[in-house]
Amino acid sequence: DAGVIQSPRHEVTEMGQEVTLRCKPISGHNSLFWYRQTMMRGLELLIYFNNNVPIDDSGMPEDRFSAKMPNASFSTLKIQPSEPRDSAVYFCASSLQGMGNTEAFFGQGTRLTVV
Amino acid sequence: DAKTTQPPSMDCAEGRAANLPCNHSTISGNEYVYWYRQIHSQGPQYIIHGLKNNETNEMASLIITEDRKSSTLILPHATLRDTAVYYCIVRVTGANSKLTFGKGITLSVRP
Repeated sequence: DAGVIQSPRHEVTEMGQEVTLRCKPISGHNSLFWYRQTMMRGLELLIYFNNNVPIDDSGMPEDRFSAKMPNASFSTLKIQPSEPRDSAVYFCASSLQGMGNTEAFFGQGTRLTVV
Repeated sequence: DAKTTQPPSMDCAEGRAANLPCNHSTISGNEYVYWYRQIHSQGPQYIIHGLKNNETNEMASLIITEDRKSSTLILPHATLRDTAVYYCIVRVTGANSKLTFGKGITLSVRP
């Protein structure tokens, strides 16, 4: 497996534009996590899904952020409208969760710059 | 999930063992101790995890105290490539278990 795949790797957009980040989890994994990382706030969990269902979105900063997981092999994180303070590296991770413990595998991240 | 406490930074000499401490005094009986690390500009990477027994793999060893209130991650022979932020996390197992990162400890391996 190629691991968790995120696209794009880099995104530069103007304030007010819509931004969509994409994630393809590892095949067979049933949990997916979206994180945001900044120098000031560190690595923050935004939302996570289990079996395509959002379990906890308490980390989503505000209504401008939304995440979907239409099927087991794809998820999106959308910001609309984007603001300069959304500039960060966004990571997606997936794991196999259930009765046992499994490690989470992270993608390489999307570096978002909002100007 | 219980919280963890780690010193902000430490360093060690290349080739020596790096011992990274973590306090988790409020850990529950069903919570595991996980360690991840993040090398600059990359996504976090899983290292090791354990419940109450000491664990060892090809990357590191995890020593958990008998009362489970603290643990130590040991990198037996640190290299320059081990310079990274190391995160100690406690979490339950199960389908709806979130993975929350704290500030971690920055390990600098010096030549």
